[in-house]
Formats: sequence, structure tokens, C-alpha cells
Amino acid sequence: DTAVSQTPKYLVTQMGNDKSIKCEQNLGHDTMYWYKQDSKKFLKIMFSYNNKELIINETVPNRFSPKSPDKAHLNLHINSLELGDSAVYFCASAQGTTSPLHFGNGTRLTVT
Amino acid sequence: EDKVVQSPLSLVVHEGDTVTLNCSYEVTNFRSLLWYKQEKKAPTFLFMLTSSGIEKKSGRLSSILDKKELFSILNITATQTGDSAIYLCAGSTDSWGKFQFGAGTQVVVTP
Repeated sequence: DTAVSQTPKYLVTQMGNDKSIKCEQNLGHDTMYWYKQDSKKFLKIMFSYNNKELIINETVPNRFSPKSPDKAHLNLHINSLELGDSAVYFCASAQGTTSPLHFGNGTRLTVT
Repeated sequence: EDKVVQSPLSLVVHEGDTVTLNCSYEVTNFRSLLWYKQEKKAPTFLFMLTSSGIEKKSGRLSSILDKKELFSILNITATQTGDSAIYLCAGSTDSWGKFQFGAGTQVVVTP
């Protein structure tokens, strides 16, 4: 009965490769997010989708492309991976602007 | 620009001690202040505060918001080793998707 699930949990890849992370939520929420947590544990918003529509894009390089096929899914595709992309990527969901975020368990991306 | 600042950045306490964590915020169109606990994986939700001066309590944890002075505190009484974690606060706004997180406070509780 996982609420927000992400796959894969770990991703190790070489510079220049392209990779995707998938996220699904079964909470019936209408808003989904991608957050990046760096080595200092700072959580920074990347994207937010409300009912499949992109509503926030926080100056993320265009190598990162989110896609929301429906309001329960939000995927993240990353082209031409760089060393600085190494981080933990968290998917999260919420209902509108009045409920707290519910996080997935994160995907640890390591670019070598 | 929205800003959330937490202090201290880290602290070490003995089991049984009381801990007070601080969070100050400057968030446009502020709606609520949220606290999360992060151990190894996902941040887990603790409290959402929208009104000034009303304490929220869950077991040994409690939190309160001051909307005039723009800060919140999280208290943990009778700490246990299981309280060791990073505690994050976030300010949310009326704008869609805007949860601005602070850098977190790392709490270590020693036996």
C-alpha cells in the first residue's frame, strides 16, 4: 500500500548517458513534484505538475524533462548526464495547496 | 526571494534531554509552515501549522508558529536515540507547488 513509489532506488551511470526515473502515487492527489537533495541535504524543488500541467519549472537545465502521462504519474528524464547531477531525487505529491507533501523514498543517482 | 532558515544546523544531545529547533521564514503569500523528519530515506510529515500561537502536539513532539515574528519552533522532550534524524521545515504559499525548504537541523541523540 505504498503511497508514493519511485523506481529505481539506485542509479549508477556514466557521464553523457540518458536515464529516466519513474514515480507513481496512489493517494489521489492532484499535484506532483520532483525535488533534488544534494549532499548537504538541501531539498530544492525542480518541477511541479498539477493535473498533468506543468506549473513550476525552477531554472532547471533543459537536459531535465519531466512528463506526466496522468495525474498519478510523474516521470523524469535526464539527458547527457553530468557529474553535478549526482544527488537523491525525490518525487512527492500533495492535494492542492492545503495539504502537506508526501514523499517517495528517493532515487540515488550517481554519475561517474 | 523566498527564504527559510533553520538553526542550529546540527546538535548532539543525551537521551532524556529536551531539544528546541528553530525555523524562520520569509515566504510571499505565506499559507503554512511544515515540519518533516528525515532519517535514511523519505522525509516524513510531522506538523502543518497555519495559525499563530496554537501548539500542535504529537507524543513528545510539539510545534508552534508565530506569524508576526515569522518563525516556528519544534520541541522534542525526553529525547530518545530514535529521534536522531534531520528535521526539515518548509514554508508553503498560495502559489501552486511552492514549498520552500530550509537546510535542515541534524539532531544526534546519544545513549
